[in-house]
Amino acid sequence: EVQLVQSGAEVKKPGESLKISCQASGYSFSNYWIGWVRQMPGKGLEWMGIIYPGDSDTRYSPSFQGQVTISADKSISTAYLQWSSLKTSDTAMYYCARERATPSGNWFDPWGQGTLVTVSS
Amino acid sequence: EIVLTQSPGTLSLSPGERATLSCRASQSVYSSYLAWYQQKPGQAPRLLIYGASSRATGIPDRFSGSGSGTDFTLTISRLEPEDFAVYYCQQFGGSPMYTFGQGTKLEI
Repeated sequence: EVQLVQSGAEVKKPGESLKISCQASGYSFSNYWIGWVRQMPGKGLEWMGIIYPGDSDTRYSPSFQGQVTISADKSISTAYLQWSSLKTSDTAMYYCARERATPSGNWFDPWGQGTLVTVSS
Repeated sequence: EIVLTQSPGTLSLSPGERATLSCRASQSVYSSYLAWYQQKPGQAPRLLIYGASSRATGIPDRFSGSGSGTDFTLTISRLEPEDFAVYYCQQFGGSPMYTFGQGTKLEI
């Protein structure tokens, strides 16, 4: 079974750093792009960026470029999303999801369960 | 940037009724690059439809997708109680690579 398991909820203060993880299982991690999606409280889904673990090729949404860093460690089938200095506006649920890119289309499936990040002084 | 606008924002229906959800793109979207997701409270999104009209594995046939160009539709033929959720459309292409619609809440 293809599965993405994310790290647990985090409570941080503004200015602190954070790295959350997304561990994959059930498929060849290196061969599929993994994306990250933000969902602020009560709001919709926002695509943040995507990484190809095979060669660490990474693409960012212009809205998130320079605000976060996406990385991956293929030796442990894990993707990461990190912040160097959190803001209260980073409070949100963050999802990782595996991209499928085929002649039939591009989509995300499956999704991780989400990691809730709360940033408060 | 391709902007996806979903309508209506909220749709109030009853079990057994037919639901029609719209997703309109600011520029033409290649049909293969349009997907639909369902999200229930406290859960991650779940893929329903990819390639504008192909159902994902395990998705009941009461869910169907259609459309092309800038206008896409998700139809739920006969609503079941478990279908009441928020639905998002998503497109691939351009910059940013992916964008989502703002969602349609389907409520009883």
